[in-house]
Amino acid sequence: GPKVLQIPSHQIIDMGQMVTLNCDPVSNHLYFYWYKQILGQQMEFLVNFYNGKVMEKSKLFKDQFSVERPDGSYFTLKIQPTALEDSAVYFCASSRDWGSQNTLYFGAGTRLSVL
Amino acid sequence: GEKVEQHESTLSVREGDSAVINCTYTDTASSYFPWYKQEAGKSLHFVIDIRSNVDRKQSQRLTVLLDKKAKRFSLHITATQPEDSAIYFCAASRGRALIFGTGTTVSVSP
Repeated sequence: GPKVLQIPSHQIIDMGQMVTLNCDPVSNHLYFYWYKQILGQQMEFLVNFYNGKVMEKSKLFKDQFSVERPDGSYFTLKIQPTALEDSAVYFCASSRDWGSQNTLYFGAGTRLSVL
Repeated sequence: GEKVEQHESTLSVREGDSAVINCTYTDTASSYFPWYKQEAGKSLHFVIDIRSNVDRKQSQRLTVLLDKKAKRFSLHITATQPEDSAIYFCAASRGRALIFGTGTTVSVSP
């Protein structure tokens, strides 16, 4: 079936550094999402993105976070600067159409460890 | 905000038995309830969903029940097989986002 690829699978960085998480969504999908999961807790919605713009974001999407998809390449989540509480698994997802009632396809996640 | 509680964190069943995973939600406006499955080392993938205009939906060995009054929904897996072993996530819609439960690890033993 359709696949969403996330690169890298694991990233270790020092607090205060910048990190970029990369997502290669399903090729004909137009809507993109990031979710964050701290070990043993819920997978929490961060942001959704369409046509070059953030459509909706949660209170977890701090000012230090930004997303973009330059020229149809990777959909990225950038955190600058990182904080200890940013350690989590970040899941990217994409969907063909808009809204929660369209199937989301997820990547395998990037485990971010902030030291 | 919307909360989704997934009541079983782990579930161990014998092959051939049934498994039931229960979730509750808080937002009365939620109208869409998908379930996702994550096998070891793989992505989450969609398995089945239910919309608020029905209270039951079946797809092969999977059945989802929805009780809107109690704000509760459940996934029933019948005749379990080893390949059903995975983490199952329930979710409920909130606007244009999905709010997920914490996941249930289902282990099917021979």
